[in-house]
Amino acid sequence: DIQMTQSPSTLSASVGDRVTITCRASQSISSWLAWYQQKPGKAPKLLIYKASNLESGVPSRFSGSGSGTEFTLTISSLQPDDFATYFCQQYNNYYTFGQGTKLEIK
Amino acid sequence: QVQLQQWGAGLLKPSETLSLTCAVSGESFSAHYWSWIRQPPGMGLEWIGEIDHSGGANYNPSLKSRVTIFGDTSKNQFYLKLRSVAAADTAVYYCARAYCSGCKLDYWGHGTLVTVSS
Repeated sequence: DIQMTQSPSTLSASVGDRVTITCRASQSISSWLAWYQQKPGKAPKLLIYKASNLESGVPSRFSGSGSGTEFTLTISSLQPDDFATYFCQQYNNYYTFGQGTKLEIK
Repeated sequence: QVQLQQWGAGLLKPSETLSLTCAVSGESFSAHYWSWIRQPPGMGLEWIGEIDHSGGANYNPSLKSRVTIFGDTSKNQFYLKLRSVAAADTAVYYCARAYCSGCKLDYWGHGTLVTVSS
């Protein structure tokens, strides 16, 4: 099993801030990593795939980087709509998700 | 535009079988790969398994003994059955599409809350 560990679990920030969320895999997954945004009562929404590729329609303030076992999701300038929970997911060997990072308004 | 519409019984008793349906519109079920994922209240996401266009299935080892995923190409639908449910199976269940095996999950259903309670 590939384990995915996100940090932090909770992040408090303000509109306009630059924020970064980290995801670590228990073994190398190359670039087979996705990031999702989830709002209460809604399905996850795909933001980033293959570690750094922006899904169609996703604002360019979202970006991803990393390979192997260390990955980051960065939001360059937080907007009110961005306060949500973010999950990383590996798809190198089936699918495993991180435990989530809740992005809260400071 | 691919859309996934899902439904099934929302309240089960322990030991019963969970049954959910996911209807695919906007493309043929006979292409791509189709997964079920679940999320217990307030917790993270767990992949349950997937079915491919030929009917082959792959399952999460932790659930494999209780899960069956299968499809009906004539109805453009696929299904989840989870046997011998317990309170720990209470979750929102999602269906989702991957373009290929080992690809991103790019389209998701809206989710179905299933509660297991005596």
